Amino acid sequence: GAVVSQHPSWVICKSGTSVKIECRSLDFQATTMFWYRQFPKQSLMLMATSNEGSKATYEQGVEKDKFLINHASLTLSTLTVTSAHPEDSSFYICSARAGGTTYEQYFGPGTRLTVT
Amino acid sequence: LAKTTQPISMDSYEGQEVNITCSHNNIATNDYITWYQQFPSQGPRFIIQGYKTKVTNEVASLFIPADRKSSTLSLPRVSLSDTAVYYCLVASAGKSTFGDGTTLTVKP
Repeated sequence: GAVVSQHPSWVICKSGTSVKIECRSLDFQATTMFWYRQFPKQSLMLMATSNEGSKATYEQGVEKDKFLINHASLTLSTLTVTSAHPEDSSFYICSARAGGTTYEQYFGPGTRLTVT
Repeated sequence: LAKTTQPISMDSYEGQEVNITCSHNNIATNDYITWYQQFPSQGPRFIIQGYKTKVTNEVASLFIPADRKSSTLSLPRVSLSDTAVYYCLVASAGKSTFGDGTTLTVKP
């Protein structure tokens, strides 16, 4: 159980275009989803936290108008990178957390974004 | 928000037991301690979670002292495939942020 999927697993786009990444919890309802970014040989950096039906809460330094997050249902959250630039190239990982008191997070496999 | 500190790297040999310790001095009463394993270009994989004392599952054990300011992940009889980055994460009702993790290298 507790499977989280991401789509696509990798994407290449041209500078100035937008890219949407989907994150789905397949066998549980996720009250909270998180989006992380990871650069090579670095730890995961939290970008934003989203609760179903609410606006996402962004971490300091993350541009909310550039990284649009939508958590429209209990099983789906999307991250749209708008007007992508080469410096946005990174590994994007989502995680999902069900309700409950142990706060376990389950992570997706990640999406490799390359902006040319 | 509880900050975590782990050793940057550890080396081990196949068949040995590996213990990775994480400190989380400002853990809150309702927080849980969770450990993840990450391979390159993959999302973190859940290993084990605990609140206090000892938790064991089919792949690892987690030891948490009474003051809960640290925790130790124990991997019995590691193999080459256990070479990865290991993160401890303090899980709370709010957000959880990752520390730098421990790169474990298992040698033949």
